Amino acid sequence: GDSVTQTEGLVTLTEGLPVMLNCTYQTIYSNPFLFWYVQHLNESPRLLLKSFTDNKRTEHQGFHATLHKSSSSFHLQKSSAQLSDSALYYCALSGRYNQGKLIFGQGTKLSIKP
Amino acid sequence: GALVYQYPRRTICKSGTSMRMECQAVGFQATSVAWYRQSPQKTFELIALSTVNSAIKYEQNFTQEKFPISHPNLSFSSMTVLNAYLEDRGLYLCGARDRISGNTLYFGEGSRLIVV
Repeated sequence: GDSVTQTEGLVTLTEGLPVMLNCTYQTIYSNPFLFWYVQHLNESPRLLLKSFTDNKRTEHQGFHATLHKSSSSFHLQKSSAQLSDSALYYCALSGRYNQGKLIFGQGTKLSIKP
Repeated sequence: GALVYQYPRRTICKSGTSMRMECQAVGFQATSVAWYRQSPQKTFELIALSTVNSAIKYEQNFTQEKFPISHPNLSFSSMTVLNAYLEDRGLYLCGARDRISGNTLYFGEGSRLIVV
């Protein structure tokens, strides 16, 4: 079945340093949709990025990711971390169009220190 | 823009009682609604996927008898947790899919179930 694997556990960075959270996936579908959701403390997940186009960079709020079907990856990056980026980040996969069913990774907690 | 309202935000219920939560899509037509549970360990479990004009599809380990869902129109869905016990606690999330944006799920604020 479909699955998503993320950088495990907690990632702690100093403010100003670059961020990279890994996401790889497995699916039988040739045209998967990939998403990054961000969840701040006591809030619900909010869509950060999405893509279904191979090798095309997508950006939002300083974050960017590129779907690479050749390596089944959709890593999340940001050039300079901010304190407000501290949150849980989830990579998610939709392997079938018109289903509305997302497969989530286990989540990565990003903690930014001053 | 697409907004999803979910209520109540938090419920404390006694073991063996039930909790009903509601999900309202505003500003778009929710052609499908997915109900998830986020465990205290922060992982997501899909409970069921409800698509208008189709039967509600429950995932393994979740049943209609335990989590009955109603999805009467394109803007509203509700789910009840019947006979809640400790293992049912968590944050229940309603995700509504926007017909226009395709596979994107927009989540409500979540309904946290605390069982005592």
